[in-house]
Amino acid sequence: TQLLEQSPQFLSIQEGENLTVYCNSSSVFSSLQWYRQEPGEGPVLLVTVVTGGEVKKLKRLTFQFGDARKDSSLHITAAQPGDTGLYLCAGGGMAGGTSYGKLTFGQGTILTVHP
Amino acid sequence: DTGVSQDPRHKITKRGQNVTFRCDPISEHNRLYWYRQTLGQGPEFLTYFQNEAQLEKSRLLSDRFSAERPKGSFSTLEIQRTEQGDSAMYLCASSLGYASNIQYFGAGTRLSVL
Repeated sequence: TQLLEQSPQFLSIQEGENLTVYCNSSSVFSSLQWYRQEPGEGPVLLVTVVTGGEVKKLKRLTFQFGDARKDSSLHITAAQPGDTGLYLCAGGGMAGGTSYGKLTFGQGTILTVHP
Repeated sequence: DTGVSQDPRHKITKRGQNVTFRCDPISEHNRLYWYRQTLGQGPEFLTYFQNEAQLEKSRLLSDRFSAERPKGSFSTLEIQRTEQGDSAMYLCASSLGYASNIQYFGAGTRLSVL
């Protein structure tokens, strides 16, 4: 059972298009992180959101944490080929759980931006 | 560079052999985590340490797997009697305390069991 569901799993778009990746769960998390991973490398942290309703912007990337802290979205404006990669959401500190250390990852969204 | 360092980057072994991976966390990070990632999936938690204490182990971590962090600095993950199903990327991450739960990952060790 996947605690964090990401959608879509695959996204292939042209340079300049906008896109949104969703990360949904039935569980409440104390924080949610977004990572980007390139083939053969480890995930690189993009952002952490901790407050319900929080919105963070990182250049062309906008991250939002749902009010109930169960879901999040990543929006990319005017995608570029350099944005190509695997995008992962990860929840930390699941409410009601006993573990406050581990991250629970979604299965990832593979984004390909064509020139 | 003061990021998380993992060694080796790639390991090819024959089924039944033992392998050991090393992780050096970011200096002064007291928490260290091991994850496993198979192709097309997100990382799955294996275990984590706070200083030298191993605080949690996933059910994914069979008795063939053992992890140590003897001095609260670097950590090793050993897999005994490797199986083809152990082929995966093994990722290490570190963080400072719990408050932020922000984990920084190493580049991983890619294990191929033939």
